[in-house]
Amino acid sequence: EDKVVQSPLSLVVHEGDTVTLNCSYEVTNFRSLLWYKQEKKAPTFLFMLTSSGIEKKSGRLSSILDKKELFSILNITATQTGDSAVYLCAVGSGTSYGKLTFGQGTILTVHP
Amino acid sequence: DGGITQSPKYLFRKEGQNVTLSCEQNLNHDAMYWYRQDPGQGLRLIYYSQIVNDFQKGDIAEGYSVSREKKESFPLTVTSAQKNPTAFYLCASSTRQMNTGELFFGEGSRLTVL
Repeated sequence: EDKVVQSPLSLVVHEGDTVTLNCSYEVTNFRSLLWYKQEKKAPTFLFMLTSSGIEKKSGRLSSILDKKELFSILNITATQTGDSAVYLCAVGSGTSYGKLTFGQGTILTVHP
Repeated sequence: DGGITQSPKYLFRKEGQNVTLSCEQNLNHDAMYWYRQDPGQGLRLIYYSQIVNDFQKGDIAEGYSVSREKKESFPLTVTSAQKNPTAFYLCASSTRQMNTGELFFGEGSRLTVL
């Protein structure tokens, strides 16, 4: 059975801090790892990672995948209150492209 | 604007009643999905469909049913056989190849069984 585990489950920081969110996985036939941000209801896409060691970056957010150690990290630098959300990690495997296995999510709270 | 519309946003039902959640997309996506979200458990896949008139069970299909008669629509029925139906339900869609890796999600439907 495919498994995705995120840590920490919750995190409270102050504006300006840097945070690192972790995602480890055990899946057969790995295809991709994805990060989503869920602020209220609909998760929104952040990154898709398929190759080890290649950092993906978007503004203050960046992510990298290690396929040997089976984990990914999501970094957020200079956090802002608008970064407060649930961050979801998901892994795609097998031949069905949208059939993702999600982790429990990390609840990030950024205080002013 | 293109997107996914779920309705109703909030729904209450009594035990023993079936309820159908609507999901419509105008993104011209082939694939559609239903996920269930419970606190502390992330999203779990209920059913998915990669093409009209075809669908497959996900990890927690028991007590649910779906249909895919049109490309734009993928309704989910929560039957009375579902033991613990109170949850937040998310519908999503993607291109079949999902080259960008992106699932597009609706705003969700929150079902409460009284």
